[in-house]
Amino acid sequence: AQKVTQAQTEISVVEKEDVTLDCVYETRDTTYYLFWYKQPPSGELVFLIRRNSFDEQNEISGRYSWNFQKSTSSFNFTITASQVVDSAVYFCALSENNAGNNRKLIWGLGTSLAVNP
Amino acid sequence: NAGVTQTPKFQVLKTGQSMTLQCAQDMNHEYMSWYRQDPGMGLRLIHYSVGAGITDQGEVPNGYNVSRSTTEDFPLRLLSAAPSQTSVYFCATRGAGGSAAYFGPGTRLTVT
Repeated sequence: AQKVTQAQTEISVVEKEDVTLDCVYETRDTTYYLFWYKQPPSGELVFLIRRNSFDEQNEISGRYSWNFQKSTSSFNFTITASQVVDSAVYFCALSENNAGNNRKLIWGLGTSLAVNP
Repeated sequence: NAGVTQTPKFQVLKTGQSMTLQCAQDMNHEYMSWYRQDPGMGLRLIHYSVGAGITDQGEVPNGYNVSRSTTEDFPLRLLSAAPSQTSVYFCATRGAGGSAAYFGPGTRLTVT
């Protein structure tokens, strides 16, 4: 069965600290996709990154980086030198092979990150 | 290019009233879905559609109806509102393959 676990419910850091948000997934498929979304206090859901199961390269975008490890079924998200604007709820999601009509996303429960000045 | 739009942004209903939450997209995506978000429960799928004329239930469909007459529109109907339906509702679209989902701004619904 598909499952996404974000074990950290809430994290609080001081500005400029590095922080890693964990995401562990379960799937039987060999082809799947992983996503991270950000939900700031304003409430909208913002797409951050997509990774397919055949691409294990880590990704860096500015202060954001993602570490995908199939061996541990994890897709962790690190924010370097955190800023107050990073305060948000972050969601990890999984989608299995999208052959046919199955495009459902399986969501973690989210990690609420508070970055304090 | 508006992406995904939802109306209204806020709504207060009395128990037993009905209403329709509107969702429209201009991304030409076949897949559309409705989620509700409640504190501590993440995003839960209500209904989804893989194309015009095709809809199916998600994990929490009771009390809601959907239809999909066009690619662009996917309205969600609350048949007889209950306080348990107080939530934030998000509409999302998704393109082909393993593409990302894109969300509307959400509708905050309160049922008293």
